[in-house]
Amino acid sequence: KAGVTQTPRYLIKTRGQQVTLSCSPISGHRSVSWYQQTPGQGLQFLFEYFSETQRNKGNFPGRFSGRQFSNSRSEMNVSTLELGDSALYLCASSLGRTREDYGYTFGSGTRLTVV
Amino acid sequence: GNSVTQMEGPVTLSEEAFLTINCTYTATGYPSLFWYVQYPGEGLQLLLKATKADDKGSNKGFEATYRKETTSFHLEKGSVQVSDSAVYFCALSDPIQGAQKLVFGQGTRLTINP
Repeated sequence: KAGVTQTPRYLIKTRGQQVTLSCSPISGHRSVSWYQQTPGQGLQFLFEYFSETQRNKGNFPGRFSGRQFSNSRSEMNVSTLELGDSALYLCASSLGRTREDYGYTFGSGTRLTVV
Repeated sequence: GNSVTQMEGPVTLSEEAFLTINCTYTATGYPSLFWYVQYPGEGLQLLLKATKADDKGSNKGFEATYRKETTSFHLEKGSVQVSDSAVYFCALSDPIQGAQKLVFGQGTRLTINP
């Protein structure tokens, strides 16, 4: 079956702009999580959505937001981009119902560069 | 808060050598533990997991045992191949803070020479 699909793969934006990243989970998966990966901070949890509801949120400013649609596809948005937002943004999906379900399948990521 | 500490890298080994990558954790509850692998230019792939104490996760010749008494989840492989060269991440999820949230170690870069 198809894996987790993230689009676009690469993005270059200017400081102050906003950006929207998209993630399509594995068919049947209702949980979608987002992570930011940088050389300095490593992998950090942004937020998780399950059945269109945010269930958990990491320690990121309000400029980072997300949503999930009824087909489980998810988008994350970053407004007023800063140079420090340059990172690989990873999306992950799982069934999300029980503890044993967890063990995410990750997409290949969107590489965002802010200039 | 919860945290994961991994063995400092990079690690360089010869093909067919024995591999150990150490991982210890701090958690408030009873976490699930994971190892992920990241190849260049790609996302993370789940390598193995364990959800309770004394469970052993295994996949592709890699193994790790959930040791509650030592709060450890060390990754081992008996004979590494060049294709195992990648970055390895240990991670946990803690139901108390939300099972959905993975906390990762800093990653260990592994290079296998032929």
